[in-house]
Amino acid sequence: EDQVTQSPEALRLQEGESSSLNCSYTVSGLRGLFWYRQDPGKGPEFLFTLYSAGEEKEKERLKATLTKKESFLHITAPKPEDSATYLCAVQGSNDYKLSFGAGTTVTVRA
Amino acid sequence: GAGVSQTPSNKVTEKGKYVELRCDPISGHTALYWYRQSLGQGPEFLIYFQGTGAADDSGLPNDRFFAVRPEGSVSTLKIQRTERGDSAVYLCASSLTLGIGANVLTFGAGSRLTVL
Repeated sequence: EDQVTQSPEALRLQEGESSSLNCSYTVSGLRGLFWYRQDPGKGPEFLFTLYSAGEEKEKERLKATLTKKESFLHITAPKPEDSATYLCAVQGSNDYKLSFGAGTTVTVRA
Repeated sequence: GAGVSQTPSNKVTEKGKYVELRCDPISGHTALYWYRQSLGQGPEFLIYFQGTGAADDSGLPNDRFFAVRPEGSVSTLKIQRTERGDSAVYLCASSLTLGIGANVLTFGAGSRLTVL
């Protein structure tokens, strides 16, 4: 069974204070690793898909990286609007469903 | 439509009642997924459809839960004899045809179910 563990559970940052979120996973063959952002009262919003170790993707202040066992979401010089819960999910090679972690809730103070 | 639409956005019911939750996926998306999210947790897989058929229903917790997608578009999640433990946000997602590569799921805003 695919498993995803995210840490920390919560992260409080000052505006401009860069940090990283961790996603550790076990999966039977990786079809893709996904990062989503979720705001309160809304559904998850897609950010990135990573397919193989060594791959990196960037979007504004966010950068996602992937190794064979974990992924990191780096937030550079965050702003208050980056406050959200960030969810990591994996899709196995024999499957089409996504298995999610519990998420990291990021709060950025001005 | 432009996005995944879910109705109702909020549903309050009494223990033992029957509930239906509706999902209208993005036009042209053949795959449709149902997830359940409890407070402070990530989405938990329930079932997904490819077209009209349930391709994987391994996440349905018991036989009180059932989902249909009769015409390959709109789907309904049905919960019989609701229990307080069924209280959660039920998320629907859709994606393009399942293929070799990883498929991105687009989520709706969810239906919040509260069982009193």
